[in-house]
Amino acid sequence: GAGVSQTPSNKVTEKGKYVELRCDPISGHTALYWYRQSLGQGPEFLIYFQGTGAADDSGLPNDRFFAVRPEGSVSTLKIQRTERGDSAVYLCASSPQSGTEAFFGQGTRLTVV
Amino acid sequence: DAKTTQPNSMESNEEEPVHLPCNHSTISGTDYIHWYRQLPSQGPEYVIHGLTSNVNNRMASLAIAEDRKSSTLILHRATLRDAAVYYCILRDVNFGNEKLTFGTGTRLTIIP
Repeated sequence: GAGVSQTPSNKVTEKGKYVELRCDPISGHTALYWYRQSLGQGPEFLIYFQGTGAADDSGLPNDRFFAVRPEGSVSTLKIQRTERGDSAVYLCASSPQSGTEAFFGQGTRLTVV
Repeated sequence: DAKTTQPNSMESNEEEPVHLPCNHSTISGTDYIHWYRQLPSQGPEYVIHGLTSNVNNRMASLAIAEDRKSSTLILHRATLRDAAVYYCILRDVNFGNEKLTFGTGTRLTIIP
């Protein structure tokens, strides 16, 4: 079956622009996570959804970052007024339920120029 | 969050067993030990997890010390496809603490 799908795979944007990154989780998975990974580092937690609600958004670095999951399936990570420091690979993962094995997508590589 | 300590890098010969260590001296009673790996240009992939007893699956074995302050991921016969960064992560079973906190992991190189 299909795994976690993230689009686009690559995104180049200019400093100050707004971007949206999309995550299609595995069908039926109620838990969804967003992570950010900089070069040479492990993934850094951003936000976790259980169903439609954000159960833990403690990893969002500032108010330029926002994520939604309106119907409990697809999620969108939104970044306003992008900065060069936002350049990273953004990873999405889903789980059948919270606390179980997480399945990761291939990530979206965001480059802010 | 309880922290884990892993060597930055390890090398192993192809077709030989690999033992990847992890120290977690501040582990709590509700922490599961999870291992994920990340192949080049891929997202992380689940390998195995355990609480107290040793665990085996098709990918690997997990040996957990009796005091749970350390664990070892065992790849029984390394192949070139096992070259990856391996992350040892503690995950609290309590509701609301499901996030995975990754460190920098161990970069495993397989020598043909």
